[in-house]
Amino acid sequence: DAGVTQSPTHLIKTRGQHVTLRCSPISGHKSVSWYQQVLGQGPQFIFQYYEKEERGRGNFPDRFSARQFPNYSSELNVNALLLGDSALYLCASSSPSNTEAFFGQGTRLTVV
Amino acid sequence: GDSVTQMEGPVTLSEEAFLTINCTYTATGYPSLFWYVQYPGEGLQLLLKATKADDKGSNKGFEATYRKETTSFHLEKGSVQVSDSAVYFCALRSSGGSYIPTFGRGTSLIVHP
Repeated sequence: DAGVTQSPTHLIKTRGQHVTLRCSPISGHKSVSWYQQVLGQGPQFIFQYYEKEERGRGNFPDRFSARQFPNYSSELNVNALLLGDSALYLCASSSPSNTEAFFGQGTRLTVV
Repeated sequence: GDSVTQMEGPVTLSEEAFLTINCTYTATGYPSLFWYVQYPGEGLQLLLKATKADDKGSNKGFEATYRKETTSFHLEKGSVQVSDSAVYFCALRSSGGSYIPTFGRGTSLIVHP
């Protein structure tokens, strides 16, 4: 079975631009969560979606948004990029019957 | 709110040394506890977990015991290898129904030959 897949793996954007990151969960998993991991820090929770509805939101500005599609894949959108948005963005999926989250390899976003 | 505190790194050891990485937590109820490992340039991989008090999670020679009385989940390995060099994250998921884990800051482990 394929694990959680994220695309692209690396991305370079300039300040003020917009970015869309994509995530496909493990087959059968209906919950997707997004995390931001700044270098040297632990992952910080951004959003959780379950069955296409937002179930949780972390302490991030409105420039960050996300959605989940009928096939349970998800997109994370960030508008008006700032240098401080440079980070590894991780997606994780989980099933209601399982306590653990399975992570993708992440998308490395660099804002210049 | 929930929180996880890990010992500061980096932890530098020689091959075959004993490893302990301390982790303590604050949470309401009875959280599930996890250790994740992140190798350079990669995402997080679940290393081991424990879902109730006194449970011992183990994998690849690593162990951690869920200690409710001390709210701790310390990671141990009897003999580390160079290939264990990575960043280790302690995390919890509260029992309130959310599937959102809370992570510690991570502890870097460097193992020298």
